[in-house]
Amino acid sequence: GEKVEQHESTLSVREGDSAVINCTYTDTASSYFPWYKQEAGKSLHFVIDIRSNVDRKQSQRLTVLLDKKAKRFSLHITATQPEDSAIYFCAASGRAGGYKVVFGSGTRLLVSP
Amino acid sequence: NAGVIQTPRHKVTGKGQEATLWCEPISGHSAVFWYRQTIVQGLEFLTYFRNQAPIDDSGMPKERFSAQMPNQSHSTLKIQSTQPQDSAVYLCASSFSGTGGARAEQFFGPGTRLTVL
Repeated sequence: GEKVEQHESTLSVREGDSAVINCTYTDTASSYFPWYKQEAGKSLHFVIDIRSNVDRKQSQRLTVLLDKKAKRFSLHITATQPEDSAIYFCAASGRAGGYKVVFGSGTRLLVSP
Repeated sequence: NAGVIQTPRHKVTGKGQEATLWCEPISGHSAVFWYRQTIVQGLEFLTYFRNQAPIDDSGMPKERFSAQMPNQSHSTLKIQSTQPQDSAVYLCASSFSGTGGARAEQFFGPGTRLTVL
């Protein structure tokens, strides 16, 4: 079945810098790639997603890039703020897996002032 | 909109006891998902329903775990003969599944923290 690997377990940046979180997946049939954020002591909430019919999607300070050939996708956060500090989870989903969502292990992003 | 509601928020059971966790999805959402989150294993998919029908339970430990969705307003996850390794935060999420199954934003509940002594 699908496996999603999240390469950075922790990432520390200074406020105002950019942050990039990288993920890879194994199932070429995966077609949907959401990202979720989990702040300390809270549950997950959705931040952005990308579908396989595009290779880039931007929402304000967030951009997701998808490289289907390399089976790799990434979340780029520009002009980071302390409130961006959280654990970010990438995920993948596709028809072959019955559309269940498989999550990566999470990247703890720390934005210091 | 109250969001996804999970009860109880915390549950402590003794080894061998049964635990039932409840989830109320967002009204109008047709897909309900259950996950388990631990420090060691991360976020694990357990099962999901679409229009109350079980679609994929491949993540469920078969012997002691069961999930049901008797109506569109709630789902339950039951763990029989709980073991210490079942201790985790159990998360429920719902989404408007549309035609793409799980290819839609999922809204997560606050979770139920289960502690098995």
